[in-house]
Amino acid sequence: DADVTQTPRNRITKTGKRIMLECSQTKGHDRMYWYRQDPGLGLRLIYYSFDVKDINKGEISDGYSVSRQAQAKFSLSLESAIPNQTALYFCATSDSSSGRSNEQFFGPGTRLTVL
Amino acid sequence: AQSVTQLGSHVSVSEGALVLLRCNYSSSVPPYLFWYVQYPNQGLQLLLKYTSAATLVKGINGFEAEFKKSETSFHLTKPSAHMSDAAEYFCAVSVAGSARQLTFGSGTQLTVLP
Repeated sequence: DADVTQTPRNRITKTGKRIMLECSQTKGHDRMYWYRQDPGLGLRLIYYSFDVKDINKGEISDGYSVSRQAQAKFSLSLESAIPNQTALYFCATSDSSSGRSNEQFFGPGTRLTVL
Repeated sequence: AQSVTQLGSHVSVSEGALVLLRCNYSSSVPPYLFWYVQYPNQGLQLLLKYTSAATLVKGINGFEAEFKKSETSFHLTKPSAHMSDAAEYFCAVSVAGSARQLTFGSGTQLTVLP
């Protein structure tokens, strides 16, 4: 089945460490997104990419960076992790040719804990 | 800018009872509206979506939602709750001209009591 996968699924790290979260998709979609989920806040957009050469900041990009290595791969980096970046991180994809609604398909999430 | 408000961060219903999860949106242009469900330790799965066709939208697992422009609402309902419906539900909105980004509500945790 075409899918969205995230690695790692769980990660514990320490303050100041650099960490990378990876997302891969076999859906053939051109658009990819990174969100973080915090209790009571829903999902908030960190970065999004409409193709390999198009990277855009979302609502809460400070402290994060991304890399779109290929159409199927979109990585999120925390250059120097801090405790308030402890959250559940989701990658999502969408297909620009599927219509105007921009339905998005989500990976299983990465639970990140920064001590 | 668009926004979504979900009334009630926690909703409890008995098995077999009506499920009603409330969502109100704010948008200056016609919106596209979505309901997603998140089961424990899983990603988000699309339940249903409104894309300006029929105002009553049927989704998976017996859920449906009605778009009411006059009330700026898109409430999610299911006539009879099952234990397997216990999950967190998110309402989301996107509009043309905003790069069609999704804006999510804060979520409603549904508990189904035996």
